[in-house]
Amino acid sequence: EAGVTQFPSHSVIEKGQTVTLRCDPISGHDNLYWYRRVMGKEIKFLLHFVKESKQDESGMPNNRFLAERTGGTYSTLKVQPAELEDSGVYFCASSRGGLAWDTQYFGPGTRLTVL
Amino acid sequence: QKEVEQDPGPLSVPEGAIVSLNCTYSNSAFQYFMWYRQYSRKGPELLMYTYSSGNKEDGRFTAQVDKSSKYISLFIRDSQPSDSATYLCAMSAARNFNKFYFGSGTKLNVKP
Repeated sequence: EAGVTQFPSHSVIEKGQTVTLRCDPISGHDNLYWYRRVMGKEIKFLLHFVKESKQDESGMPNNRFLAERTGGTYSTLKVQPAELEDSGVYFCASSRGGLAWDTQYFGPGTRLTVL
Repeated sequence: QKEVEQDPGPLSVPEGAIVSLNCTYSNSAFQYFMWYRQYSRKGPELLMYTYSSGNKEDGRFTAQVDKSSKYISLFIRDSQPSDSATYLCAMSAARNFNKFYFGSGTKLNVKP
């Protein structure tokens, strides 16, 4: 079974540009999560999809961030326009169900650098 | 104040040592407690999962939760060089158990 995949693995952009990150969850996993880790800080929750619906987006920092999951399969996270403080590692995770004991499987992350 | 506090280390131990990793938290609503291991340039991987207070053992790993003290621990017995990684605690509340709050991670180095 393939794990969670994320693309690209690394992105370097200039302030003000747009970047789109992609996450492919494990096949059959209805639940998809986005997290990010900025330099020196802890991993922080951004949002949670159940299929194509946003279940919880309380961690999204501002309206420059837009997450979508059309068709309930892969998800994209767009940052527009990017700011310096958006630099960090963006992780995607997926779980089969939404129960408390359903393991969240993490992807390797996308390292975003905003110059 | 951070929701979850974790000593970043690094922690360096000789092979075979017992390792103790800890987190403290401030939110008494947390009920679910996880330990993740993360190797360099990889995503976090679930090691242990516990609910509420108590102990849980899995091979060389033991997780402990003390809700009265808001303190959780992960013990690694007979540590191996392959255990060298960053260990992250995570926790969530019953009302929104899918929203994880992570510690900043402790970097562990087990020397051969």
